[in-house]
Amino acid sequence: QLQLQESGPGLVKPSETLSLTCTVSGGSISSSSYYWGWIRQPPGKGLEWIGSIYYSGSTYYNPSLKSRVTISVDTSKNQFSLKLSSVTAADTAVYYCARHRTTVPNDAFDIWGQGTMVTVSS
Amino acid sequence: SSELTQDPAVSVALGQTVRITCQGDSLRSYYASWYQQKPGQAPVLVIYGKNNRPSGIPDRFSGSSSGNTASLTITGAQAEDEADYYCNSRDSSGNPWVFGGGTKLTVL
Repeated sequence: QLQLQESGPGLVKPSETLSLTCTVSGGSISSSSYYWGWIRQPPGKGLEWIGSIYYSGSTYYNPSLKSRVTISVDTSKNQFSLKLSSVTAADTAVYYCARHRTTVPNDAFDIWGQGTMVTVSS
Repeated sequence: SSELTQDPAVSVALGQTVRITCQGDSLRSYYASWYQQKPGQAPVLVIYGKNNRPSGIPDRFSGSSSGNTASLTITGAQAEDEADYYCNSRDSSGNPWVFGGGTKLTVL
């Protein structure tokens, strides 16, 4: 079945760029009807949607993060990636990737990766 | 801040019925999806659309919507249902998608 796996550094220095990759296995990232999203969760807090991308490169971003976020896709590797620039301690969180069905009325994040903890610290 | 409002905590006696609510203006136009998250685990989709359950989700979970409020109902709550629950929907204020703040469900 479809699986998603996040990967990337667990520690990033303040002011630097956080970079994560999500590898999709058991299915194609080029499937129609699905976007591919990033969601984060600071320790002890709730979920925050970061952004989502279609295999063609079309993106949606959370306006509160848009100036610092870039999401890209590599269909040849069945991967999509997140870059978050100028990070601070407030960006410390578990970062999840997820398959994002965006077709109203049934839009939902229906398959999630296990998540990866990223700490911003010098 | 979230544009979807949830009660921070709710409790239910074992075997009883509990309703977890999510309020927001966008819910007058869009359905909410609901996610269960247990400690140390990734969220799991439990309800989406009008009232749809993904494969493997018990039928004691159901969803409904009225006005600006979406509800997740657990009929006959089990000990394993103790978890955090989050709603998600489109946002009417410009943010394409937004999560509610989450509700911690305790099964007594």
